[in-house]
Amino acid sequence: GENVEQHPSTLSVQEGDSAVIKCTYSDSASNYFPWYKQELGKRPQLIIDIRSNVGEKKDQRIAVTLNKTAKHFSLHITETQPEDSAVYFCAAGVTGGGNKLTFGTGTQLKVEL
Amino acid sequence: KAGVTQTPRYLIKTRGQQVTLSCSPISGHRSVSWYQQTPGQGLQFLFEYFSETQRNKGNFPGRFSGRQFSNSRSEMNVSTLELGDSALYLCASSLSSGANTEAFFGQGTRLTVV
Repeated sequence: GENVEQHPSTLSVQEGDSAVIKCTYSDSASNYFPWYKQELGKRPQLIIDIRSNVGEKKDQRIAVTLNKTAKHFSLHITETQPEDSAVYFCAAGVTGGGNKLTFGTGTQLKVEL
Repeated sequence: KAGVTQTPRYLIKTRGQQVTLSCSPISGHRSVSWYQQTPGQGLQFLFEYFSETQRNKGNFPGRFSGRQFSNSRSEMNVSTLELGDSALYLCASSLSSGANTEAFFGQGTRLTVV
């Protein structure tokens, strides 16, 4: 089955700096890659997703890149703010394979003032 | 529009007991997936239901089961509870199945097995 590895497990940055979280996946059939943000004590919420027919997608300060050949995808957050502090999860899924998502183990991002 | 609702929010059970968790999806959503979240393990897929049928199943023992009703509400049952079943159980609803539309998560049920 699919396996998703996520690094780093913790990331501390200064406010205004950029943060990058990387994931790799094993199943070449995976073609949907969402990113979820989970604040302490709250539910995971989708912040951005990308499908395998595009290499990059941006939404304001957040961007995701996908390298299908290397089976890598990354989340980039620019101009980080304290409210960006949370746990971020990457995931992989297969269109047509139901709504099963395989998640990475999460990255605890801390944005320091 | 009301979000995904899970009940109860917290549960404490004893080893060997069984438990049933409930999930009400967003109105109009027909797909409900269940995940187990534990520290350091992330979210692990349990199963997905669509139109009252199990579409996908993760790698959990048969003690974990689920069902979906005609109104799309779903229940998850865990029998013969073990200490290792202590976790946050999240359900997620999606509009359809297979198109990878956005999964909306509930607040979760925190299960503690003592």
